[in-house]
Amino acid sequence: AQKVTQAQTEISVVEKEDVTLDCVYETRDTTYYLFWYKQPPSGELVFLIRRNSFDEQNEISGRYSWNFQKSTSSFNFTITASQVVDSAVYFCALTLNNNAGNMLTFGGGTRLMVKP
Amino acid sequence: KAGVTQTPRYLIKTRGQQVTLSCSPISGHRSVSWYQQTPGQGLQFLFEYFSETQRNKGNFPGRFSGRQFSNSRSEMNVSTLELGDSALYLCASSPRGPSGNTIYFGEGSWLTVV
Repeated sequence: AQKVTQAQTEISVVEKEDVTLDCVYETRDTTYYLFWYKQPPSGELVFLIRRNSFDEQNEISGRYSWNFQKSTSSFNFTITASQVVDSAVYFCALTLNNNAGNMLTFGGGTRLMVKP
Repeated sequence: KAGVTQTPRYLIKTRGQQVTLSCSPISGHRSVSWYQQTPGQGLQFLFEYFSETQRNKGNFPGRFSGRQFSNSRSEMNVSTLELGDSALYLCASSPRGPSGNTIYFGEGSWLTVV
């Protein structure tokens, strides 16, 4: 079975600070996908990124960046120069690439509060 | 392009009743999944449908059921509601099988059981 752990349940920062959200996963499969989602108070899970287990290149998208390290089974998410609008719950998730469907295993989420 | 649409957004039911939630996936998407989100259990997978067939099922009692129609729209049903069924129910769609696709979520249906 798969497992995703987000050890930080809540993080509070002041606007313009950089913040890193940690994600550690467990799976015996060698091919899988990792995701990050943002959940604002409205409830919708907003897709941020999908990463193939074969692609360990870090990715940057504006103020967002992701660091994928298979050696430590981690897929961490950094927000640079945080803004109040970044306040939300962030989820890391994993799905296997085994032709068996699109079932996500989620971590417990990290609530990020960005204060002005 | 319209996103995943869920109806109703909010509803209140009484213990013992049943409820049906609806989901319209993104146009062209054939896989629809359902998740339950509660403060205590987090986000848990309910089931996935692809081409009108249930492909995967999570660890939920038989009171939770679903179906998918030929136009890929999906419904989930919870019978004999219990207080613990109060949750945010999220529907997700993805373009195609078999796996590894980007998965997009709707805004969810907030169910309160009293």
